[in-house]
Amino acid sequence: TQLLEQSPQFLSIQEGENLTVYCNSSSVFSSLQWYRQEPGEGPVLLVTVVTGGEVKKLKRLTFQFGDARKDSSLHITAAQPGDTGLYLCAGERSKLIFGQGTTLQVKP
Amino acid sequence: EAGVAQSPRYKIIEKRQSVAFWCNPISGHATLYWYQQILGQGPKLLIQFQNNGVVDDSQLPKDRFSAERLKGVDSTLKIQPAKLEDSAVYLCASSLFWNTEAFFGQGTRLTVV
Repeated sequence: TQLLEQSPQFLSIQEGENLTVYCNSSSVFSSLQWYRQEPGEGPVLLVTVVTGGEVKKLKRLTFQFGDARKDSSLHITAAQPGDTGLYLCAGERSKLIFGQGTTLQVKP
Repeated sequence: EAGVAQSPRYKIIEKRQSVAFWCNPISGHATLYWYQQILGQGPKLLIQFQNNGVVDDSQLPKDRFSAERLKGVDSTLKIQPAKLEDSAVYLCASSLFWNTEAFFGQGTRLTVV
């Protein structure tokens, strides 16, 4: 059973489009992290959200933590080919648990 | 600041052979993680150390996998004997404490044939 469910698992879009990735759970987390991973590399932290309802922006990326601290979303505005990669959410509950990831492909 | 170092980067072995991976975390980081990542999937936690003590190894297949972190610094992960389904990338990560940012190494890609 996957503790953190990400959707969609795969996403292929054209440059300039917007997209949202969801990370859902029935469990409460003390914090939730979003990572991006490129082929042949380890995941790299993008952001950590801690407070229920928290919204953080990182250039064209907007991250939101659900009010109940059980879910999160990542929204990318005007996607670019450089955004291509595997996006992972991870919840902190005395250990770091990852979702199954969303593979994003942005075509020029 | 040096990152998390892992070796080797790639390893190909035959099934039933043994293999060992090494990880050197960022200096001063108390928490060390080993993850297994199947291609295109999220990392699955195998074992978490706090200094040289095991915090969680609930998903470690203990009949074939073992890990140690001597002196609370470097760590090794061993598989003996390997199975075809062990083919994956093995990621090591470290953090200052259990609830702070985790930094990952580049991983070791294991292929079992």
